[in-house]
Amino acid sequence: EVQLLESGGDLVQPGGSLRLSCAASGFTFSSYAMSWVRQAPGKGLEWVSSMIGTGGTTYYADSVKGRFTISRDNSKNTLFLQMNSLRAEDTAIYYCAKDSSGYYYADSWGQGTLVTVSS
Amino acid sequence: EIVMTQSPATLSVSPGERATLSCRASQSVSSNLAWYQQKPGQAPRLLIYGASTRATGFPARFSGSGSGTEFTLTISSLQSEDFAVYYCQQYNGWPLTFGGGTKVEIK
Repeated sequence: EVQLLESGGDLVQPGGSLRLSCAASGFTFSSYAMSWVRQAPGKGLEWVSSMIGTGGTTYYADSVKGRFTISRDNSKNTLFLQMNSLRAEDTAIYYCAKDSSGYYYADSWGQGTLVTVSS
Repeated sequence: EIVMTQSPATLSVSPGERATLSCRASQSVSSNLAWYQQKPGQAPRLLIYGASTRATGFPARFSGSGSGTEFTLTISSLQSEDFAVYYCQQYNGWPLTFGGGTKVEIK
């Protein structure tokens, strides 16, 4: 059974930094692309970033490009999202998602971790 | 960027009735379209991929259709557990984009 467990969400001041982690189990982590998707309070889903299985190619939404960095440690089955220069509009639940083989739709999701950016 | 537009924003349906949700892409996404179901306080769950293939665990009353720019999610006979928010997502190109969602509520 696929399991994704996010951690690292917290209350942080504008301009601050935070690192999210997603521990994966139940599948061959290195074989799949992984993504982060966020959801602001009461709002819809917004794709944030994706990374292919081998850890090379990365993709970012324009809203986070240059501020967020996705990475992964395939030896530890863990996905990361380093978030710098945080803004109030980054406040959201951040979901880790496993992408389907060869395609970028998410066939499994974690329960999410809440990031609140506020002074 | 491919803009995904869902309609209606809210759909009020009685249990047992049929629900039809629409998703439109600003340019062709071929059949690279997924639907997700999200219930309050829960993570989204994959419902449909490839525009029409049902994901594991969803009954046959859920069906997806369409290609190119026009897509439809149909729930043939709504059950109590189907009241939720439904999102479409295109994965034909970057950035990946979601529609704004359709909330299916009890009439």
